[in-house]
Amino acid sequence: SAVISQKPSRDICQRGTSLTIQCQVDSQVTMMFWYRQQPGQSLTLIATANQGSEATYESGFVIDKFPISRPNLTFSTLTVSNMSPEDSSIYLCSVDTRDRGVFFGQGTRLTVV
Amino acid sequence: QKEVEQDPGPLSVPEGAIVSLNCTYSNSAFQYFMWYRQYSRKGPELLMYTYSSGNKEDGRFTAQVDKSSKYISLFIRDSQPSDSATYLCAMSFLQGAQKLVFGQGTRLTINP
Repeated sequence: SAVISQKPSRDICQRGTSLTIQCQVDSQVTMMFWYRQQPGQSLTLIATANQGSEATYESGFVIDKFPISRPNLTFSTLTVSNMSPEDSSIYLCSVDTRDRGVFFGQGTRLTVV
Repeated sequence: QKEVEQDPGPLSVPEGAIVSLNCTYSNSAFQYFMWYRQYSRKGPELLMYTYSSGNKEDGRFTAQVDKSSKYISLFIRDSQPSDSATYLCAMSFLQGAQKLVFGQGTRLTINP
């Protein structure tokens, strides 16, 4: 399996500020994915990050709100910008190892106050 | 109609029971099927990964896929209190570089 490290594991932030979440994978992967899991809900894909190109965002998510970087094949960041209480969620990065399946990090639990 | 339907439960069973968790889906183009276990305040942990129809067994876990009925199942034998978690089904159209579509998740409690 792929080992995925996410930082921070949790944070409490003031509304209007931004938080950058880091995701490190123990092997090179082509695509990394960022998901959001709102309280009591399932996972929703925010965007797909490909190294060397712009991220592809799902409907309802925009780059100005969730800018993503993918500087190399083992690392990505997701920034949650200009936060409001509605952004309080768990944010998860994942990688698709093709024949071994899709693996997730432990998530970043964000609370916006 | 949601693409993937999963009964959210909660489901409560005694220790040692066989647990059956199920998902139905509407798009016959789904080819890859996964089951995840998620403990509270943790990320999803991949339990089973299957392609197309058939069965796959791993220890106490068995995954079944019936593409003709658009129905997938996860069976847990000899259930343990440590199996108490939320179980999520997920599926994708292609392998690699494809987003997953998740079910709602079923909250399972195994009572000692």
